[in-house]
Amino acid sequence: SAVISQKPSRDICQRGTSLTIQCQVDSQVTMMFWYRQQPGQSLTLIATANQGSEATYESGFVIDKFPISRPNLTFSTLTVSNMSPEDSSIYLCSVEGADDLGGTQYFGPGTRLLVL
Amino acid sequence: KNEVEQSPQNLTAQEGEFITINCSYSVGISALHWLQQHPGGGIVSLFMLSSGKKKHGRLIATINIQEKHSSLHITASHPRDSAVYICAVLNYGGSQGNLIFGKGTKLSVKP
Repeated sequence: SAVISQKPSRDICQRGTSLTIQCQVDSQVTMMFWYRQQPGQSLTLIATANQGSEATYESGFVIDKFPISRPNLTFSTLTVSNMSPEDSSIYLCSVEGADDLGGTQYFGPGTRLLVL
Repeated sequence: KNEVEQSPQNLTAQEGEFITINCSYSVGISALHWLQQHPGGGIVSLFMLSSGKKKHGRLIATINIQEKHSSLHITASHPRDSAVYICAVLNYGGSQGNLIFGKGTKLSVKP
């Protein structure tokens, strides 16, 4: 299994500012995924982060708005830039298990963001 | 029409009741996940299925690939089972992260 931690767990931010969310995994993983869950909605994949290469963004998400770092195999950050109230969401980090559970996806506890 | 549909959207049950949550999907898949999201937002993966049936404690998940349908059953439900249950499918050929999520079923189990 994989244990994932995220920081911060929640934050309240002013519009126009930026917030960086950290994701730490207790084992080395190839791919890390960032999701967003807007209020009352299902999860949406923002991007896939591979170590040593640029993140791959899904349609509707761009690097300027959601820059991602992946400096090593256990850590990633997602920055929400120039925030607006529409960015108020839960942001979740996820990894794919590489052990005998092969294919099981593990999720972090999430970062609950409120933009005023 | 959403590619992943869950029913019901909301479910209230009495402690001890047998609960079924359904998931139907319209795309070809290589796997289906059942996830549990607690009120704080954290998500736990319950099952990953590609065929048949899996059981873990009081939870049972089944999938019928031909009918493109999966069910999550909770036996002897308990208030601590109260959560949102999310069905997510891995589109055939997609990377593991490219899951398509249902909107979730909010379960409330009353003592």
